Amino acid sequence: DGGITQSPKYLFRKEGQNVTLSCEQNLNHDAMYWYRQDPGQGLRLIYYSQIVNDFQKGDIAEGYSVSREKKESFPLTVTSAQKNPTAFYLCASSKGPDYEQYFGPGTRLTVT
Amino acid sequence: SQQGEEDPQALSIQEGENATMNCSYKTSINNLQWYRQNSGRGLVHLILIRSNEREKHSGRLRVTLDTSKKSSSLLITASRAADTASYFCATEERGYQKVTFGIGTKLQVIP
Repeated sequence: DGGITQSPKYLFRKEGQNVTLSCEQNLNHDAMYWYRQDPGQGLRLIYYSQIVNDFQKGDIAEGYSVSREKKESFPLTVTSAQKNPTAFYLCASSKGPDYEQYFGPGTRLTVT
Repeated sequence: SQQGEEDPQALSIQEGENATMNCSYKTSINNLQWYRQNSGRGLVHLILIRSNEREKHSGRLRVTLDTSKKSSSLLITASRAADTASYFCATEERGYQKVTFGIGTKLQVIP
């Protein structure tokens, strides 16, 4: 079964702690993306990667970090520097530019 | 920044009616995509229309693109209660390798 998975589905953390969200795909896609969605809002791009070992900042990269050491994996770390980390985080992958994106089920992060 | 803006932000219709959602954007694009999101879930891709295309169909979905007006519309015909979801347009700006999403239209189909 091909697809894109995110874990965990729900995540709770205390303020001041870093937390890493997992994203894995077995679709053999080159490109991967991380988005943040706040209630009643659209998606905002955090980071994206068009190829292994390379990634670019999106529109709201401050307080986040990523790595792309393997084609299948694109983990996102929410650092303590992110002022409002509570949100719904969505990972996506695609063959590349000019192709549709396939989304994971999302991780809902709550920081208190 | 949000490139696409959907209109209306919310739409409520009776089952069987058609639903039309519009999307406007600001810059030149490579393509425009429509996605659907059920509450609390990931997005599902519906249709991708390239800048040199004017209309595309997929089942009960019809998408049009007018690059001169920088706008697109998504038409869902003969709506069903299961079509209740949020619908987002997303644009891939020319010269950039990323996609920008609008804030979505929340569609409610009443049985």
